[in-house]
Amino acid sequence: GESVGLHLPTLSVQEGDNSIINCAYSNSASDYFIWYKQESGKGPQFIIDIRSNMDKRQGQRVTVLLNKTVKHLSLQIAATQPGDSAVYFCAENMGNQGGKLIFGQGTELSVKP
Amino acid sequence: DAGVIQSPRHEVTEMGQEVTLRCKPISGHNSLFWYRQTMMRGLELLIYFNNNVPIDDSGMPEDRFSAKMPNASFSTLKIQPSEPRDSAVYFCASSGGGNQPQHFGDGTRLSIL
Repeated sequence: GESVGLHLPTLSVQEGDNSIINCAYSNSASDYFIWYKQESGKGPQFIIDIRSNMDKRQGQRVTVLLNKTVKHLSLQIAATQPGDSAVYFCAENMGNQGGKLIFGQGTELSVKP
Repeated sequence: DAGVIQSPRHEVTEMGQEVTLRCKPISGHNSLFWYRQTMMRGLELLIYFNNNVPIDDSGMPEDRFSAKMPNASFSTLKIQPSEPRDSAVYFCASSGGGNQPQHFGDGTRLSIL
């Protein structure tokens, strides 16, 4: 029979447009959040992080926004490029657990040339 | 700079055989994590170490799985005996501990026939 796997949310954008990937986290005690990018055949790659005492952090072409009120995290990618196509994971550090991270299921970003 | 190094990159073996996966963390990192990734269950934390000491092994699926970290620069994940349902990509990650990002290796793709 057909196997059932995780059905990843998919975001399809045009090259040059901005992308926004969203994530809801579970624990109000989480104090550190990370976004990872995973390309096919590779391990998750660190993109950007944010601590709970901040609500916005910017990197090169990426911005992370944190809304603690509704436990929501987003990753914005400016001027999306074909090389940005990958699966993106958010992760939360649930505080006082020695760096243990809880990962979301991931969002697949597809960039159309 | 060398990242997290995992070996082998691919392993194909018959069920019942012992499998040993190896990981060399980033020098200076004191936390090491083993994950398993499948289409069905996504990215799961199996076990993690702080300063070579196992802290949380609640993610280890069965007694067939064991992990060791004999020193700060080496860890192994062993499956004995292996079963087809153990087929997955196994990742090792390391970090500087606490609220520091984890850095992943490129994984070992394990197939149990």
